[in-house]
Amino acid sequence: EDQVTQSPEALRLQEGESSSLNCSYTVSGLRGLFWYRQDPGKGPEFLFTLYSAGEEKEKERLKATLTKKESFLHITAPKPEDSATYLCAVQGSYNTDKLIFGTGTRLQVFP
Amino acid sequence: SAVISQKPSRDICQRGTSLTIQCQVDSQVTMMFWYRQQPGQSLTLIATANQGSEATYESGFVIDKFPISRPNLTFSTLTVSNLSPEDSSIYLCSVARGPEDEQFFGPGTRLTVL
Repeated sequence: EDQVTQSPEALRLQEGESSSLNCSYTVSGLRGLFWYRQDPGKGPEFLFTLYSAGEEKEKERLKATLTKKESFLHITAPKPEDSATYLCAVQGSYNTDKLIFGTGTRLQVFP
Repeated sequence: SAVISQKPSRDICQRGTSLTIQCQVDSQVTMMFWYRQQPGQSLTLIATANQGSEATYESGFVIDKFPISRPNLTFSTLTVSNLSPEDSSIYLCSVARGPEDEQFFGPGTRLTVL
C-alpha cells in the first residue's frame, strides 16, 4: 500500500536557522513527488514536483531533493513568513491521478 | 496555475441535513478532485469528478453519502448528505491539466455539523 510519512510533526526555528523537513515514502512505482505549503484556513499551495532520484528544485529559500526512499525540503535562513504546514504527496504508477498525502510538518519561524 | 473558488467558504449545519459545495475554475481543466481534510489529519481523496459521467469514488466513500456533479470542464459540486458531527471537516477541490500533472487546490470549505 502506498504510504507517506513526514517528520518532524512540528518544528520551531529561529529566524535564519536553516533546517530540513523529511518525507519518507513507499509507493509502487513513483510517478511524482509533490511538495505543498498550507497556511491556516487556506488550501494547499503547490511548490515543487520531483520525478526521479537525484533531482533537485529550488524556489527562494526552499530546496527540494529526492532519493529512492525519501525527499527533503531544505529551508535556508528562514523568515517568519515561511511559517506554515508543509505537505508531501506521492503519485504512483498504478493510480496515476491519485495523490497520497502525508500529515505534514508544521513549521514556526520566530523573529 | 488555475484560479479556483469554492462556495461556501464555511458553514454550520444541523445533523441530518445536507450541504452542497461548489467549485469553479477560471479555465477548462481535464481533472477535478474532491478531498477531505479532517482536523490534524492528512488530505484524503474522496472522488474524482468526471465530466459527463459518474464520479470515481475511493474506498470508504459512496455516492449516496457524497454525490458529485460535473456538468462541464470548469465546474463541479460535492454534496455531503445526511450530516453527522463526524462529517465536520474541511472539504477541498483540486484541479489538474492532466492525470499526472500537479494539482492546484481551492481555498476549501470548512463544515461544522452540530
